[in-house]
Amino acid sequence: EDKVVQSPLSLVVHEGDTVTLNCSYEVTNFRSLLWYKQEKKAPTFLFMLTSSGIEKKSGRLSSILDKKELFSILNITATQTGDSAIYLCAVPGTASKLTFGTGTRLQVTL
Amino acid sequence: GAVVSQHPSWVICKSGTSVKIECRSLDFQATTMFWYRQFPKQSLMLMATSNEGSKATYEQGVEKDKFLINHASLTLSTLTVTSAHPEDSSFYICSAASDLGYTQYFGPGTRLTVL
Repeated sequence: EDKVVQSPLSLVVHEGDTVTLNCSYEVTNFRSLLWYKQEKKAPTFLFMLTSSGIEKKSGRLSSILDKKELFSILNITATQTGDSAIYLCAVPGTASKLTFGTGTRLQVTL
Repeated sequence: GAVVSQHPSWVICKSGTSVKIECRSLDFQATTMFWYRQFPKQSLMLMATSNEGSKATYEQGVEKDKFLINHASLTLSTLTVTSAHPEDSSFYICSAASDLGYTQYFGPGTRLTVL
């Protein structure tokens, strides 16, 4: 059974801090690892990672995958209150069904 | 990323009526779409996998006669909640898988309230 574990479960930081969110996975046939941000609505897509060691970057967010150690990290630099959300990590498995981690709830305070 | 739309965004209906929710992939073709529901402060729960041109595959515990899914084209899947009851009130979210299923893009969700 595919498995995704995220840590920490919850995090409170001050605006301007840098945060690192972790995701480890076990999947039978790895295709990709996905990061999403969920605020009050549906998850919005952040990154798709397929290759080890290649950093994906979008503004203050970046992510990297290690296929040998089976984990990924999501970094957010210079955090803002608008970054407050649940960050979900997921891997597609059989029939493209996603296995999600529990999510990391990030709260950025002033 | 790719765009997936849902319509309507919000619907309120009376108990016993049926409600149809549409999910469209706007800029790519999706042979596979998924329907989820989410209760407040809970995780996404997969309801069914919708495959273009074939019957949907439902997760255990999801009534296929209550939640009718039709995937008539590569860009449109619909979920009909039949004879809705207050306990069906929830946030319904669809997603569309890209080619080979490497990634999925979510629609913005439909909030259903059944009175």
